[in-house]
Amino acid sequence: GEDVEQSLFLSVREGDSSVINCTYTDSSSTYLYWYKQEPGAGLQLLTYIFSNMDMKQDQRLTVLLNKKDKHLSLRIADTQTGDSAIYFCAETLGDSWGKLQFGAGTQVVVTP
Amino acid sequence: KAGVTQTPRYLIKTRGQQVTLSCSPISGHRSVSWYQQTPGQGLQFLFEYFSETQRNKGNFPGRFSGRQFSNSRSEMNVSTLELGDSALYLCASSSVGQSSGANVLTFGAGSRLTVL
Repeated sequence: GEDVEQSLFLSVREGDSSVINCTYTDSSSTYLYWYKQEPGAGLQLLTYIFSNMDMKQDQRLTVLLNKKDKHLSLRIADTQTGDSAIYFCAETLGDSWGKLQFGAGTQVVVTP
Repeated sequence: KAGVTQTPRYLIKTRGQQVTLSCSPISGHRSVSWYQQTPGQGLQFLFEYFSETQRNKGNFPGRFSGRQFSNSRSEMNVSTLELGDSALYLCASSSVGQSSGANVLTFGAGSRLTVL
């Protein structure tokens, strides 16, 4: 089966950079996504990257994609306490539109 | 533009009962997907609908069913509820198939189901 793997926990000091890593499995994935989930809330799309790109920058967020190693990372610059949440990596599966394979999520805790 | 609306937000049922959850997608979106989120299994895909047709179904028993209406609103139903069905059920919509660009799924806040 397909498994998207993420580390489960990350602790970071306020103002530092956070890097969340993800390994995906489907080499035919067209898009890869990062979602954020705060307690009691749904999933908020942070950013996504098309599979023919290596990097995408969006304000404080930088996504790096290594297709050879099927490795995706999300860097959050100048991490704030409001960035404390669970971050999910997800990949599209085949030609599916609405079917994403999610990782287990990385809990990010930002300390003052 | 209003987001994805899910109702009810919270509900409590007992084993053996059935439940219907509703999802109103973003206006103009015709694709709706459903996911189940539990602490043990994480986020798992349930169904995907586009223009009233089910395009994909996840690996769930037949007690889980869904449908989509002509106005793109979607419902999912779980019959003969089990304790293990307690979860956050998330609905997402997208404009995929209607325009070029990424298949960006926008999620609702979810319906939290507790089965006692």
